[in-house]
Amino acid sequence: QKEVEQDPGPLSVPEGAIVSLNCTYSNSAFQYFMWYRQYSRKGPELLMYTYSSGNKEDGRFTAQVDKSSKYISLFIRDSQPSDSATYLCAMSAQNTDKLIFGTGTRLQVFP
Amino acid sequence: DGGITQSPKYLFRKEGQNVTLSCEQNLNHDAMYWYRQDPGQGLRLIYYSQIVNDFQKGDIAEGYSVSREKKESFPLTVTSAQKNPTAFYLCASSYRGSSQPQHFGDGTRLSIL
Repeated sequence: QKEVEQDPGPLSVPEGAIVSLNCTYSNSAFQYFMWYRQYSRKGPELLMYTYSSGNKEDGRFTAQVDKSSKYISLFIRDSQPSDSATYLCAMSAQNTDKLIFGTGTRLQVFP
Repeated sequence: DGGITQSPKYLFRKEGQNVTLSCEQNLNHDAMYWYRQDPGQGLRLIYYSQIVNDFQKGDIAEGYSVSREKKESFPLTVTSAQKNPTAFYLCASSYRGSSQPQHFGDGTRLSIL
């Protein structure tokens, strides 16, 4: 079993839809959670960063962490064609320099 | 503008040849990382360095080598011992510490001739 599981998609939605992207994990020591957005032939770009459980909102993006269920989510409101990309979750535990990545979910937003 | 620069963007390797991928950062980050990205497999850690003149193997270090002579630079050599080098290579950097997010360059795509 992988430490971090992420549905690869592709997820195809119409413009304006609410998108929900999710990751599950098995290591209860993970405390720091990140979402990256990666456009084709580009490097991942940090989108959201949260510590421990709770919600964080930034514009159209909301990140949620549920440590009791070992489940994190990224919600995108009013999705746009420019949101079409691969979204990677990543997480790390205390006292380690390594990030563990999910395999990424490919999102397509059509006009 | 601060950032991470990877070069070249595309690279071709002949059989039996070593090739070196460049990674430079001007973010004043202490830690630097090399990942390999293959379709459907996510990012796999090759090597990382937390400080100048020191580096550690990641999960898939075989067939690769690195050096860290300067804080700003962390070149990766793909040696002829790496039998399946075709992939997208990503360099990242961060401040030291488990709470620090990593920031990425735009990658180098390596292919076999």
